Amino acid sequence: AQKVTQAQTEISVVEKEDVTLDCVYETRDTTYYLFWYKQPPSGELVFLIRRNSFDEQNEISGRYSWNFQKSTSSFNFTITASQVVDSAVYFCALSEWVGSGGSNYKLTFGKGTLLTVNP
Amino acid sequence: EPEVTQTPSHQVTQMGQEVILRCVPISNHLYFYWYRQILGQKVEFLVSFYNNEISEKSEIFDDQFSVERPDGSNFTLKIRSTKLEDSAMYFCASSEWQNTEAFFGQGTRLTVV
Repeated sequence: AQKVTQAQTEISVVEKEDVTLDCVYETRDTTYYLFWYKQPPSGELVFLIRRNSFDEQNEISGRYSWNFQKSTSSFNFTITASQVVDSAVYFCALSEWVGSGGSNYKLTFGKGTLLTVNP
Repeated sequence: EPEVTQTPSHQVTQMGQEVILRCVPISNHLYFYWYRQILGQKVEFLVSFYNNEISEKSEIFDDQFSVERPDGSNFTLKIRSTKLEDSAMYFCASSEWQNTEAFFGQGTRLTVV
């Protein structure tokens, strides 16, 4: 069974600090996908990134960066120079490729990390 | 920018009543999903839908739940006889292909009283 662990329940930082959100996953599959979603106080889920299991290259998008380490089953998310608008719950999620037809797809979410960025 | 839209944003219903949550997925997407999030908890998969049939469902998705794509644009989740524990935020999502990113709607907050 697949599982996603976000050990940090809450993190509080001061604006402009860098912050890393941890994500550890478990899966039996060799083909899988990892995601990060942001849930601001308004409640919607905002897609941030998708990474497949064959691509261990780290990715940077503006102030966001992601570190995928297959050897430790981790997919950590770093926000550089945090801003108040980054305050949200961040979810890491995992999907496995299920079924030869590929039509079975579901995300397993972690419990989320509440990030509070104080001015 | 195309987006998934859900209506209503908030629904209050009495225990035992039927409720239908509505979603309009992104138009060229082929895969549709419902997830729920009980307040303060993680997001949980309910069901996936492709080619006019359920492709996978979770243990939560029991006989009280059903999904339908009644026309070319809407995707609905019906709860036949709501229970207090059905109170949650329900998210609809769609993706273009299997395992591409799923885009979520803004959610419907269901409150069962």
